[in-house]
Amino acid sequence: GQQVMQIPQYQHVQEGEDFTTYCNSSTTLSNIQWYKQRPGGHPVFLIQLVKSGEVKKQKRLTFQFGEAKKNSSLHITATQTTDVGTYFCAGKINSGYALNFGKGTSLLVTP
Amino acid sequence: ETGVTQSPTHLIKTRGQQVTLRCSSQSGHNTVSWYQQALGQGPQFIFQYYREEENGRGNFPPRFSGLQFPNYSSELNVNALELDDSALYLCASSLDGVWGNQPQHFGDGTRLSIL
Repeated sequence: GQQVMQIPQYQHVQEGEDFTTYCNSSTTLSNIQWYKQRPGGHPVFLIQLVKSGEVKKQKRLTFQFGEAKKNSSLHITATQTTDVGTYFCAGKINSGYALNFGKGTSLLVTP
Repeated sequence: ETGVTQSPTHLIKTRGQQVTLRCSSQSGHNTVSWYQQALGQGPQFIFQYYREEENGRGNFPPRFSGLQFPNYSSELNVNALELDDSALYLCASSLDGVWGNQPQHFGDGTRLSIL
């Protein structure tokens, strides 16, 4: 089963509103990656966080990795219709090879 | 730069049959991972191949097997198909991804339906 939990499962916002999705792991992660999957498409890599407390920004997207390396968040400022899709976090546990994906947060943005 | 390509795009099989899915990695990438994505779920790691050897496996039974070839392309084989095997099968390539620290570059997937 999936060891990385993500909330919320769905989010519906008006264009211009902010959006945040949260990712939590029961075990310490060596790194966390974020992906975006458009409807009918495949996951596309957005970013990787490695260091405790790390914060990275990509234009309107802000990614954080928790101090304990067990949680992460993705925040989108002033959403646009092009932000529609499902956002997945994927974490690697120190002792394993597998990248464990969360169930994703599906974002719907209405104009 | 050629991206990850998978074939076929869609496949319909019946219970008990066997299936082979194929993947060509992105040029320059030497590691291939396979994932199963059920509807409404995140991708679940099946296994990873590096230098033609399986070097990591998720919680999938032995009837899921794979190969990697010298040109880094890969195959996923599933025997004795079950209804629950219906899913999108994604292949992802990466560069030197032995430790899972590299971004995964996904193909468009093969949609497998079991009747």
